[in-house]
Parts: sequence; structure tokens; C-alpha cells
Amino acid sequence: GENVEQHPSTLSVQEGDSAVIKCTYSDSASNYFPWYKQELGKGPQLIIDIRSNVGEKKDQRIAVTLNKTAKHFSLHITETQPEDSAVYFCALRRTGRRALTFGSGTRLQVQP
Amino acid sequence: DAGITQSPRYKITETGRQVTLMCHQTWSHSYMFWYRQDLGHGLRLIYYSAAADITDKGEVPDGYVVSRSKTENFPLTLESATRSQTSVYFCASSEFDRGKGETQYFGPGTRLLVL
Repeated sequence: GENVEQHPSTLSVQEGDSAVIKCTYSDSASNYFPWYKQELGKGPQLIIDIRSNVGEKKDQRIAVTLNKTAKHFSLHITETQPEDSAVYFCALRRTGRRALTFGSGTRLQVQP
Repeated sequence: DAGITQSPRYKITETGRQVTLMCHQTWSHSYMFWYRQDLGHGLRLIYYSAAADITDKGEVPDGYVVSRSKTENFPLTLESATRSQTSVYFCASSEFDRGKGETQYFGPGTRLLVL
């Protein structure tokens, strides 16, 4: 089945710096790669996603890159702010399936 | 999260008791899911449902039962709770949109403690 490795498990950056979280996977049939942000006491919320026919997608300070050959995808947050502090999960979905497989999460701390 | 709700938000129970976690969505999404979240494991799929009266197992279904008599509700029952079922449970729903593709939306979660 699908397997997703997420690194790092914790990440601390200074406000204004960039943060990068990487996920690797093994199933080449995966075709959808979302990223979720989870704040304390809340459910995960989708922040950006990318499909397998695209290599990069940006939304203001957030970007996701996908390398299908190497089977990894990354979340990039630029100009980090304290409100970016949260747990971030990568996920993927296999072609023909509806459920997501999640990485183990990255706790991002942005120091003011 | 406004369209998908979970109840209760917190629950303490004892080993061996039956517990039902409720999930309700107002979007009429076809697909609904139950995940559990444990430290170091991310979210793992317990069960999912493609439509009313259609359910299927996920990665960790043992000890859980689901039903879906109505599109908007997807309750999860722990028939005889065990300590290993102490976790945070998230319900999600999704629908395919031609423009956006398919996005899963999550509820706020139920924190369950089994003593």
C-alpha cells in the first residue's frame, strides 16, 4: 500500500525565514498530493494541493513542488509569521481511490 | 469546518463499554471518512463510505463498526472499547468538483480517553 515519509518531525525558524517540509512516497500510482495545516484543538485544514500533472503550485507565501521521478513533494513557506506555527501534514491519494494516506506530521514553530 | 460537525468533542469511557462517535455534514457530500490520530502516526483511516449504505474498511478497522443510513450522518461505534483506542478521531467528507478536483474537509475531532 501507500507509504509516506515526512521530514522533519519538528522545525523551528525565525519569523521572516523560510520553512521547507519534505515528503517521500513509494507508490507511483499516487496522483494527488495535498498539504494540511492543523492548529491546536482543531481538525486539519487544506492549505494547498497539487496533482501529478503539475510540477509546482503557488498560493501567496505557500508553494508545493512535486518530483514524480524521485517520488517526493515539498511544502515551502516563505516570510514565515507566528501564525504559521502549527502541525503540517502531507498526504497523497492513489489513482482510483478516495481516501488519503498521511505523513506523520511536522510541528512548525515560528519564533517572533 | 462549518459544514461538518462531530459530537461529542470529548469523551471519557471505561474498557469494555460501547461508545458511539457522531459525524454530521451539511454539504450532501457522497464520501465520508473516519480517521484516528495518534502521536507519530499522523492520521490513519478506519472506515470510509462512498454513499448511504455503502461502507468499506480502511487501514485500522478492527474494533470499530460504522453505518450510513443517511448521506449526512456517519457514526463510528467502538463495540467494546480498549485502552489502545484512546485517540483523537476525525471525520471527513469529500465530493468531486470538476474545477477543484476532490478535497477532503475535516471536522473538529473527538478526543476519546479509554480508562
